[in-house]
Amino acid sequence: QVQLQESGPGLVKPSQTLSLTCSVSGGSIRSSTYCWTWIRQHPGKGLEWIGYIYYNGTTSYNPSLKSRVTISVDTSKSHFSLRLNSVTAADTAVYYCARGTNYGHYEYWGQGNVVTVSS
Amino acid sequence: QSALTQPASVSGSPGQSITISCTGTSSDVGGYDFVSWFRQHPGRAPKLMIFDVSNRPLGVSTRFSGSKSGNTASLTISGLQAEDEADYYCGSYAGGGTHVFGGGTKLTVL
Repeated sequence: QVQLQESGPGLVKPSQTLSLTCSVSGGSIRSSTYCWTWIRQHPGKGLEWIGYIYYNGTTSYNPSLKSRVTISVDTSKSHFSLRLNSVTAADTAVYYCARGTNYGHYEYWGQGNVVTVSS
Repeated sequence: QSALTQPASVSGSPGQSITISCTGTSSDVGGYDFVSWFRQHPGRAPKLMIFDVSNRPLGVSTRFSGSKSGNTASLTISGLQAEDEADYYCGSYAGGGTHVFGGGTKLTVL
């Protein structure tokens, strides 16, 4: 059974960089079939797709966040990471990592990491 | 890339059937057969209920079914049960490796 677990700070100051890591277990991160994805959910709101990465480093990002987002992967540690620059209060959300395919199919999710942007 | 449109809320009584719509454009829902549906209980991560418009992952009840017509996808839940009360989200491939979700629908079981 594939399991994903997010980790990272729960509080980030405005203008700083949000950094989260998602650890993958129960399955190989080195699969050409699956993409490793970040999705967020603002308080009381819907889901927002942030972007994904394949094990070979191929990425795709939400156009509205592309200028501030970097997703990276470390196959030796079986984890992938999210960096979001220049955060504001609007980036306060629950951040989920998930395993999906290029076309969606997000079957496995982490439990979510609450991130609050505040001074 | 705009969010897909879902009704804010729907409701039904136990045993009844309900349908939740998800409207997009020809650049997402209408352009690809890659629509997914997710159920989310409060404080929990979303759970995949339908993928590729009408396919159920292993373990998901046959009470859940999906369909699509033009730019609108639909999720139907038959034989409503109390455990179905949750938020439901649709998602669609939007081309160029990107993905878009709906704003969510709150299902109340009366």
